[in-house]
Amino acid sequence: AQSVAQPEDQVNVAEGNPLTVKCTYSVSGNPYLFWYVQYPNRGLQFLLKYITGDNLVKGSYGFEAEFNKSQTSFHLKKPSALVSDSALYFCAVRDLSGGYQKVTFGTGTKLQVIP
Amino acid sequence: DTAVSQTPKYLVTQMGNDKSIKCEQNLGHDTMYWYKQDSKKFLKIMFSYNNKELIINETVPNRFSPKSPDKAHLNLHINSLELGDSAVYFCASSQDRFSGRNSYEQYFGPGTRLTVT
Repeated sequence: AQSVAQPEDQVNVAEGNPLTVKCTYSVSGNPYLFWYVQYPNRGLQFLLKYITGDNLVKGSYGFEAEFNKSQTSFHLKKPSALVSDSALYFCAVRDLSGGYQKVTFGTGTKLQVIP
Repeated sequence: DTAVSQTPKYLVTQMGNDKSIKCEQNLGHDTMYWYKQDSKKFLKIMFSYNNKELIINETVPNRFSPKSPDKAHLNLHINSLELGDSAVYFCASSQDRFSGRNSYEQYFGPGTRLTVT
């Protein structure tokens, strides 16, 4: 069975500082990894994904994430946080090694950027 | 030109009633989903359809019945509503048959906030 862990319920960071939102995963095959953002009273929006290739992937709004196979992690990062980045962030994993597999979401991390 | 749309946006109803939520995607995707997000923001998959065929049916009471009349639509019907059904329900779609850059990530609708009183 696949799983995703987001160990922090909330991350606080000062505006202009770098931010990291952590995610670790567990799958039996090769993982497809995703980050989504949810603003209040909105649906989730796709930010970025790792399927294959470079371990560092870049996405929307200046976010990036690094795939680390040995640590089974896919942490979301941004060099300089904006107040508008404050939202709920979800990590998700799919294992497509054996036919269709469902998506498993983490429990979400609330990012608070302090002006 | 909304990619994934849901109706209604808000639904307030009494226990025991039957209600439906509709979802449409205009992205040409082959897979659609229903998710339930509870008050703690946990996201739980309920159903998934690929090319109108049910492929995921999680542990959901059989009061919930999805219907996919075509690839672009996935509706959710709920019978005998209970207080515990109160949540936000999200529809989503993805292209799961590899067709280029935009594959496997999900696109979500704006959600339907269901309140059962």
